Amino acid sequence: DQQVKQNSPSLSVQEGRISILNCDYTNSMFDYFLWYKKYPAEGPTFLISISSIKDKNEDGRFTVFLNKSAKHLSLHIVPSQPGDSAVYFCAASAGLSGTYKYIFGTGTRLKVLA
Amino acid sequence: KAGVTQTPRYLIKTRGQQVTLSCSPISGHRSVSWYQQTPGQGLQFLFEYFSETQRNKGNFPGRFSGRQFSNSRSEMNVSTLELGDSALYLCASSLRAGRTQETQYFGPGTRLLVL
Repeated sequence: DQQVKQNSPSLSVQEGRISILNCDYTNSMFDYFLWYKKYPAEGPTFLISISSIKDKNEDGRFTVFLNKSAKHLSLHIVPSQPGDSAVYFCAASAGLSGTYKYIFGTGTRLKVLA
Repeated sequence: KAGVTQTPRYLIKTRGQQVTLSCSPISGHRSVSWYQQTPGQGLQFLFEYFSETQRNKGNFPGRFSGRQFSNSRSEMNVSTLELGDSALYLCASSLRAGRTQETQYFGPGTRLLVL
């Protein structure tokens, strides 16, 4: 059972436009969400996080939105740059009551076209 | 401050062998988690260690084991390797364990190929 889903395996966006990456989850116990970026041959790099008490968190070009009622979060990158081309993973924390500390989605490969 | 380091970076083994992977967390971090990444499966949680104790465990067979030392360094062992164990094994460290709002920092991974 995939508790965190990234239904789009890939996404292509023109440089300068907005990239929107989506993530859905099923476990209502999740209370902390993170986005990681991964380049080939490197480990994932932490990008941005959001607590379930918020619905938006912004850090420079990156904004994460959380819709708890829909169990959906999204990452917006504005403006998109070629260096943003990578695989993006969303992750959710199940907290102390969960078996796992973090559950990751399968990733979305973003390609920003120059 | 140095990041998470993992050794070796690449490894080729044959079926039936065993392998040990090593992870050194960021200085001061006491929690170490291990993940397996395979194409199409995302990152699958293996286990987490804190203060030399396993705190959480994912749904992997007993062939996968780990340990943590007093200096927070961790090792992961896979015995009786199978072809399906070929994957990128990632280690992540965080300051504490047992907290939900804690950011994990990943190492570059060890790519294991089982022939």
